[in-house]
Amino acid sequence: QKEVEQDPGPLSVPEGAIVSLNCTYSNSAFQYFMWYRQYSRKGPELLMYTYSSGNKEDGRFTAQVDKSSKYISLFIRDSQPSDSATYLCAMNNNAGNMLTFGGGTRLMVKP
Amino acid sequence: KAGVTQTPRYLIKTRGQQVTLSCSPISGHRSVSWYQQTPGQGLQFLFEYFSETQRNKGNFPGRFSGRQFSNSRSEMNVSTLELGDSALYLCASSSGRIQETQYFGPGTRLLVL
Repeated sequence: QKEVEQDPGPLSVPEGAIVSLNCTYSNSAFQYFMWYRQYSRKGPELLMYTYSSGNKEDGRFTAQVDKSSKYISLFIRDSQPSDSATYLCAMNNNAGNMLTFGGGTRLMVKP
Repeated sequence: KAGVTQTPRYLIKTRGQQVTLSCSPISGHRSVSWYQQTPGQGLQFLFEYFSETQRNKGNFPGRFSGRQFSNSRSEMNVSTLELGDSALYLCASSSGRIQETQYFGPGTRLLVL
């Protein structure tokens, strides 16, 4: 079993929908949680960075972390066709800059 | 500020050959991490260099190695290439402090025939 599990999708939604993306993890040492967006043939781009449990909002994006359930989420409000990409969750512990990634969820937002 | 640059962008090699990939971090960044991305295994950490020293290492065989120069530029080398080494190799840079945000380059796509 992988340390970080993520539904690969694809997830197809209409423009304007609220999108929910999720990851579960097994390593309780993870303290820092990130969401990256990756367009085809590009490197991952950081969207959200959170520490420990709680919510963080940035524009149309909201990240949630529930450490007791080992579960993190990314919500995208008013989704746009330009949001179509692969979304990767990533996390690490206090030991260094080694990120452990989920497998990514492919999102398609239809006009 | 210029982003992370990686060269070359695409590479085709044959089994048994070796390859060297290059990464130039964001100006002022001192940490460079390397990741391998494949459809089957996803993104996996290879190693991190900080101030010319390897600070962390992932679970990859010794055929994968790297180094960092005094100007923070980094190279990774894969010797005795195998078909399974075909992947997108991504470099990420950060300031060097632990838990600082990592910024990824566009990657080098390696195809091993």
